[in-house]
Amino acid sequence: NAGVTQTPKFRVLKTGQSMTLLCAQDMNHEYMYWYRQDPGMGLRLIHYSVGEGTTAKGEVPDGYNVSRLKKQNFLLGLESAAPSQTSVYFCASSPPPLDGYTEAFFGQGTRLTVV
Amino acid sequence: AQSVSQHNHHVILSEAASLELGCNYSYGGTVNLFWYVQYPGQHLQLLLKYFSGDPLVKGIKGFEAEFIKSKFSFNLRKPSVQWSDTAEYFCAVRGATNKLIFGTGTLLAVQP
Repeated sequence: NAGVTQTPKFRVLKTGQSMTLLCAQDMNHEYMYWYRQDPGMGLRLIHYSVGEGTTAKGEVPDGYNVSRLKKQNFLLGLESAAPSQTSVYFCASSPPPLDGYTEAFFGQGTRLTVV
Repeated sequence: AQSVSQHNHHVILSEAASLELGCNYSYGGTVNLFWYVQYPGQHLQLLLKYFSGDPLVKGIKGFEAEFIKSKFSFNLRKPSVQWSDTAEYFCAVRGATNKLIFGTGTLLAVQP
């Protein structure tokens, strides 16, 4: 099994450009999350989804949009990239807590640089 | 609001020393608690988790953590660290809102 796959792994954008990061999971998980990781700030939750067709804001949602049209995919969009969005982005998925298996599985990350 | 606080930002230990990393959370309801590890250049991996039952949880690689509800704490411990434990460690909490919130992380450097 591939687990959680993020595409692309690296990207350089110019200020004002747009892009979409794709997260795909093959574990049939209900929950999916997008985080950004910055030095000294840990992982901060951008948006998350508790099921197909649902999304919710996390701690730092401004400047990002998400969509969950299919259960296995969670897309993160930057409409107009800014240098402050330079970061490493991680996607994660997990089963719902009802199942008792509450572990989140992470992708390998996407390193995004906005110049 | 749900939050996680890790007090130690950078810890340096010699091999065979004992480790304890602090984690406190802020959330009034039932929580699931986690410790994740991130080795240099890699993604996060689960060390251990707590969601009910015995408050002393054992994880992989000799790590353990104790959930103390009255102190809102979930500290990570290891009796004897190895050079290969050099990594960044993250505490995380999930409450009824289903948000999985992480602390700012602790960088552990183990000197041989």
